[in-house]
Parts: sequence; C-alpha cells; structure tokens
Amino acid sequence: AQSVAQPEDQVNVAEGNPLTVKCTYSVSGNPYLFWYVQYPNRGLQFLLKYITGDNLVKGSYGFEAEFNKSQTSFHLKKPSALVSDSALYFCAVSVYTGGFKTIFGAGTRLFVKA
Amino acid sequence: EAGVTQFPSHSVIEKGQTVTLRCDPISGHDNLYWYRRVMGKEIKFLLHFVKESKQDESGMPNNRFLAERTGGTYSTLKVQPAELEDSGVYFCASSQSGTDDGYTFGSGTRLTVV
Repeated sequence: AQSVAQPEDQVNVAEGNPLTVKCTYSVSGNPYLFWYVQYPNRGLQFLLKYITGDNLVKGSYGFEAEFNKSQTSFHLKKPSALVSDSALYFCAVSVYTGGFKTIFGAGTRLFVKA
Repeated sequence: EAGVTQFPSHSVIEKGQTVTLRCDPISGHDNLYWYRRVMGKEIKFLLHFVKESKQDESGMPNNRFLAERTGGTYSTLKVQPAELEDSGVYFCASSQSGTDDGYTFGSGTRLTVV
C-alpha cells in the first residue's frame, strides 16, 4: 500500500537552532513530493515541492527539503528556527494511479521555543 | 486573488442529522479536491473533481457522503445521516494543473457529530 510516514508527532527546537522534520514514503513509481504547513485557524499552505532535478529544493520562509531516493525520504529542514515557524507540518506524495492522487502524512507539530 | 473558501468553519450537529459543507475554489481552477482529517491522523483523500465531473471518488467512506460540483464552480459535500465517526476537519483544495504545482487549501470545516 502506498503511504507517507512522519515518525514524529512533535518536534521541539530552540529558536536559532536548526530544525528537521522527518518524512519517509512508500510508493511505486516516481513520486512528486510536497511539504505543507498549517498555522492555527488557517488552511494548509504549500511550502515546497520536489518533482525532478536537484535533490535539495528550497521553498518558502527559508525552508528546504532533501530528496533521498535510496532512503525514500524527504526531510524538511531549516538552518535557524523562528518562533513563528511553530505550526503543523504535513508531508505529501502525489502518485499516478490512472490519475494523480496526493497522499498525506499524519502531520508533525513543530514547537520553537524562544 | 481570493483563496479557497470553505463554509461553515465549524459545525456541531447531532447524530442522524444532515450537514452540507461548501467549498469555493480559486476562480479558474478546474481541479477541486475534498480531504478529511480525523483527530491526529493523516489527511485522507475523499474525492477529486475536474470541472463538474468526478475524476476519482475512491476515498468516499460510504454512501452517506454525497459530493456535487454543479457548473464546475463551487462544490458541496453532504453527510446524511451523520455518524459520530464523521467528526473531523474537512479540507477542500483546488489546483489548476492537477498535481505538480501543489494545491491551494481552504481553512477547513471542523465537523463535530455528537
């Protein structure tokens, strides 16, 4: 079965420290990979995507993610966390099954402490 | 441009009642998606419209759920009769190309069935 795993329910980091939010996937074929963020009382916002090309992709708000095909991972990173980065982060994979369908992970809540 | 709008933002209904959720996608977006997140779990796909046609409704849980998109503009998702396990946050998303540019999500409707 095709799936996306975010192994951490919650990640805590201190402001100014680097952060990593993990994501692994299990799909057939070549996936399209995404990260979305949800702030309180807001909808999900697109952060970044990997379709093809350079394994390191850069997105909004200073976030980046690295595609690792051998480890089937797409971890989200930021060199220096801000308190305002505190939110719920979702990893997603789009796969083609006669039409494209996007599968989401369960989400990881990021807390950045001042 | 206006984003994806969902109404209502919250709904509390009794088991057995009917609820209709509405989604207004971004103007010009042919692709409209419904997703649901049950407490703490992954965001699950419900269905996908291309204009007024149902492209994929494989995620609809059962026949108590009915989605429509008359005229290819806004969409409604009706739950009738509602059950306790239908509680969750229902997200609508739209996109122009269908997959590789990411989705624009609404802020969701939080449905509580008591």
